[in-house]
Amino acid sequence: AQTVTQSQPEMSVQEAETVTLSCTYDTSESDYYLFWYKQPPSRQMILVIRQEAYKQQNATENRFSVNFQKAAKSFSLKISDSQLGDAAMYFCAYRSEYNNNDMRFGAGTRLTVKP
Amino acid sequence: DSGVTQTPKHLITATGQRVTLRCSPRSGDLSVYWYQQSLDQGLQFLIQYYNGEERAKGNILERFSAQQFPDLHSELNLSSLELGDSALYFCASSVGRNRNYGYTFGSGTRLTVV
Repeated sequence: AQTVTQSQPEMSVQEAETVTLSCTYDTSESDYYLFWYKQPPSRQMILVIRQEAYKQQNATENRFSVNFQKAAKSFSLKISDSQLGDAAMYFCAYRSEYNNNDMRFGAGTRLTVKP
Repeated sequence: DSGVTQTPKHLITATGQRVTLRCSPRSGDLSVYWYQQSLDQGLQFLIQYYNGEERAKGNILERFSAQQFPDLHSELNLSSLELGDSALYFCASSVGRNRNYGYTFGSGTRLTVV
């Protein structure tokens, strides 16, 4: 079964600085999708960015970008120019191309943004 | 508004009771997923339905059951509730076939068992 590991329970960053959140996953599949979700204090789950495993180019969404290393099974999230509103729990998630099953989530990283 | 509607938003009930959580998926989405998030924990997959049929089961207790109706809304039934069942229960939906788009989550139902 696929597992997703986020090794940083908590991270902090100064406002306007850059922070990178780590995620690794374990799979024997070649085709899959990876996601980062943000969960602010409101507890709503918000999709931040997605990456298809067959694409070599790293996904970018405004201030959010990923570093996808397929061979290393690593999928880190970089947040540039951090803002106070970026403070949240961030979850990395894996979704298989082949199975009907669910999206697997990591345990999350709590990001604090210091003014 | 994500388009996925969950009711109620909050629920407080006593141990041993039974509750029903309701989810209406985003328009056009055929798949519904239920997740449980205990305090400061990650999301644990419970069960998935696609167009009315059960597709996958995760760590769902026997005391819990779900179904998806012809209009695609889904209900999660929790019975013989225990204190440890207190959690945030999320419903998510997706189009089903295209796995690229991820899930759209509802705002969750916070269940407190006292």
